Amino acid sequence: DTGVSQDPRHKITKRGQNVTFRCDPISEHNRLYWYRQTLGQGPEFLTYFQNEAQLEKSRLLSDRFSAERPKGSFSTLEIQRTEQGDSAMYLCASSPEKQFFGPGTRLTVL
Amino acid sequence: AQTVTQSQPEMSVQEAETVTLSCTYDTSENNYYLFWYKQPPSRQMILVIRQEAYKQQNATENRFSVNFQKAAKSFSLKISDSQLGDTAMYFCAFMKHDGDNAGNMLTFGGGTRLMVKP
Repeated sequence: DTGVSQDPRHKITKRGQNVTFRCDPISEHNRLYWYRQTLGQGPEFLTYFQNEAQLEKSRLLSDRFSAERPKGSFSTLEIQRTEQGDSAMYLCASSPEKQFFGPGTRLTVL
Repeated sequence: AQTVTQSQPEMSVQEAETVTLSCTYDTSENNYYLFWYKQPPSRQMILVIRQEAYKQQNATENRFSVNFQKAAKSFSLKISDSQLGDTAMYFCAFMKHDGDNAGNMLTFGGGTRLMVKP
């Protein structure tokens, strides 16, 4: 399968813990996007990369959130000191132009 | 900033019938794309159809077609011959187009839950 993959698919953590998610884009796609989707809502943009450069960050991306894309391949999204409000589905997408989405990582913060 | 509004939280349609999902948007941009994405239950987001704002002709993809009214900032999706597999959340999305720097963030509407009934 050569689609966008995300790991883990589900993560349950306790408030205050740090979590890290990984996204592997489609190999020839130079752009990578992170979105957050809460239950029953549309996805909201968090940040995006062109190759290894992080070009834009949403105001939703507080100081507790950090994203990287070393070498312009896979990307990681880390959330420090998780809060219950961080519970959501975290979606990754990649593109040359049209965005192709991964299956998401569902985070539950207890 | 762009906004996308889907005014129908839920809709249902009988199998083989036609249904239209509504979407309106607000932007000051002149060059942009509009999309419809489908998100089946517990499955990933899939692109259904794309419309370039500069094209007057409405996009079609098999049973899916759009009615793009640029002046009215309206972008509805028509699904013909509805199938059980069309049951999903449908999201309308906007993306501005920066020429050679094409490929920017998507702004999504709140979604419409479509149920196709046998």
